[in-house]
Parts: sequence; C-alpha cells; structure tokens
Amino acid sequence: AQKVTQAQTEISVVEKEDVTLDCVYETRDTTYYLFWYKQPPSGELVFLIRRNSFDEQNEISGRYSWNFQKSTSSFNFTITASQVVDSAVYFCALSEAGNTDKLIFGTGTRLQVFP
Amino acid sequence: DVKVTQSSRYLVKRTGEKVFLECVQDMDHENMFWYRQDPGLGLRLIYFSYDVKMKEKGDIPEGYSVSREKKERFSLILESASTNQTSMYLCASSPIWVSGTVSLNYGYTFGSGTRLTVV
Repeated sequence: AQKVTQAQTEISVVEKEDVTLDCVYETRDTTYYLFWYKQPPSGELVFLIRRNSFDEQNEISGRYSWNFQKSTSSFNFTITASQVVDSAVYFCALSEAGNTDKLIFGTGTRLQVFP
Repeated sequence: DVKVTQSSRYLVKRTGEKVFLECVQDMDHENMFWYRQDPGLGLRLIYFSYDVKMKEKGDIPEGYSVSREKKERFSLILESASTNQTSMYLCASSPIWVSGTVSLNYGYTFGSGTRLTVV
C-alpha cells in the first residue's frame, strides 16, 4: 500500500536559518510521482514541485531545493535562508503510475519562521 | 488566471441537514477531487471523478456522495450532516495523466477550501 510519512509535526526557526523538511514514502510501484505543496494561512494549497521516480536528479529553485533518494525512499525539501513568508504547512504527496489519479498526502509539517 | 473555485469559505450547518459543497474549475480538467483536511491527519480523499457522471470512492467516502453533471463542476453532498463531519474541505482538479508522457500541467490545482462546522 502507498503511504507518505512526514515525521516532523512542527518546526520553528529564526529567519535566515536553513531548514529541511523530511518526507519518506512507501510504494510497490516502480513508477510513481512525488509532490510538495505549501499551504499558507490563507488555506489554498500551492503546488511547489513534482518529481518522477525515473528521474533522480535533484532540483533547485531559488531558495528551495529537493533531494530525492530512491535508496532510502525519501524526498526531502530544504529551504535556504528562510524568510517569514515561508511560514506555512508543507505537504508531501505521492501518486502511483498505475493509479495516477489519486494523490496520497502526508500529515504535513508546520513551519514557523520567526523574525 | 486559472482557478478552482469553492462556493463558500465558511459554512455552519445543523446536525441532520443536507449540505452541498460546490466546486467549479475553469481549466477543462478531466479529474476532480474532494479531500477533507483535519489536524494531524493531513488530507484524506473522499471521492474523485475522472469524467462527467463518473465517480470513484476515495479512502473515506462514508457519509458523503458526489455529483458531476458537467465537466467543470463537482459537488460534494453530505446527506445528513453530523458533528464528526466538521472539517476543512478542499476541492482539486487535474488533467488526465497520459500513460508514458509527462503532463504539461504539473500537478493538482486546489481551491481555497470550505471550512464546515456542523453544530
């Protein structure tokens, strides 16, 4: 069965610190897709990234970077030089190639960045 | 700007009432979804639809039904609201995933959510 685990319930950092949000997944499929979403206080989930299982290249987008490691079934998200605007709940999610219409979410990590 | 619009941001209903949550998307997406979000539980899939008049149960369909009469609209129905259905409800849409290709649309698009309180 597919499952996504975000063990960190809440993280607090001071502005300009780097922070890593952990995501561990379980799936039997060899082809699958991993996602990160951000949910700011306004409530709307904002898509950040999708990673395909057959592409293990890590991604960097500005202050955001993602480390995908199939060997450990992890897809971790790092924010460099965090800012107050990064305060939000972050969700990791998984969909399987044989069931691509279903997105399974982790329980989320609440990140608070203090000035 | 493409959007998924949920008709109500906040809703208060009484136990036993029939409740309709409406969701409309303007992206011509085939797939539409209803999730509920509860603290510590993340987002859980209630129902989804991959075509007009088609629906499939998600992980927690009990107490809910859905309707999709038009491609752009997906309604979640609580036949007889109960207090344990107090939650944040999120609607989402996505294009159909074509086997062997990478979708040009990166992922699901979510609405802003409806916070439902059943008293």
